[in-house]
Amino acid sequence: EVQLVESGGGLVQPGGSLRLSCAVSGFIFSSYEMNWVRQAPGRGLEWVSSISSSGSAMHYAGSVKGRFTISRDNAKNSLYLQMDSLRAEDTAIYYCAGGFAGDGCKDWGQGILVTVSS
Amino acid sequence: QSVLTQPPSASGTPGQRVTISCSGSTSNIGSNYVYWYQHLPGTAPKLLIYKNNQRPSGVPDRFSGSKSGTSGSLAISGLRSEDEAIYYCVAWDVSLSGVLFGGGTKLTVL
Repeated sequence: EVQLVESGGGLVQPGGSLRLSCAVSGFIFSSYEMNWVRQAPGRGLEWVSSISSSGSAMHYAGSVKGRFTISRDNAKNSLYLQMDSLRAEDTAIYYCAGGFAGDGCKDWGQGILVTVSS
Repeated sequence: QSVLTQPPSASGTPGQRVTISCSGSTSNIGSNYVYWYQHLPGTAPKLLIYKNNQRPSGVPDRFSGSKSGTSGSLAISGLRSEDEAIYYCVAWDVSLSGVLFGGGTKLTVL
């Protein structure tokens, strides 16, 4: 059974940092391109970042570029998102999602809430 | 404001066929594949269509996708109450070097 489980969310003050993790099981993690997608309260889905299966290529949405860093550890079947200089507008449910490159995000986690507030 | 434009809402009665459009540009849909996701708030999104018109295993053939020029569309035939959800189109944008989501279309089954 494929499972993606996010952790590391919570409440953080503006300007603070948080590191999200996504533990994966049930498929060959090293073969999947992985993504972080978020949904702010009352808003639609927004792509945040993606990383190639090998970890050699990363891409970011303009809204997070320079503040967020995506990474992966294929030996630990884990995906990460380091979020720095957090802003109120980063408040959202964050989903990790993945699939074979070009085939879309076939598998998703249940999401984890990040709240940026003083 | 999303660069991929979808109607905010759509509706149909059970058994009917509905179509949801997604308008983009040459830097996204015009030069890349279109993907479609179904999302019920509070649950994980679900991939419905990839590479314009391909269905992942397990997705009913009531769902179909197409692309023409800089626009994509999702068609749902034999509408069911469980199809009530928000539908998003997605495409890679070469100018932004990133993934774009449409604004989402809320489908109501009357």
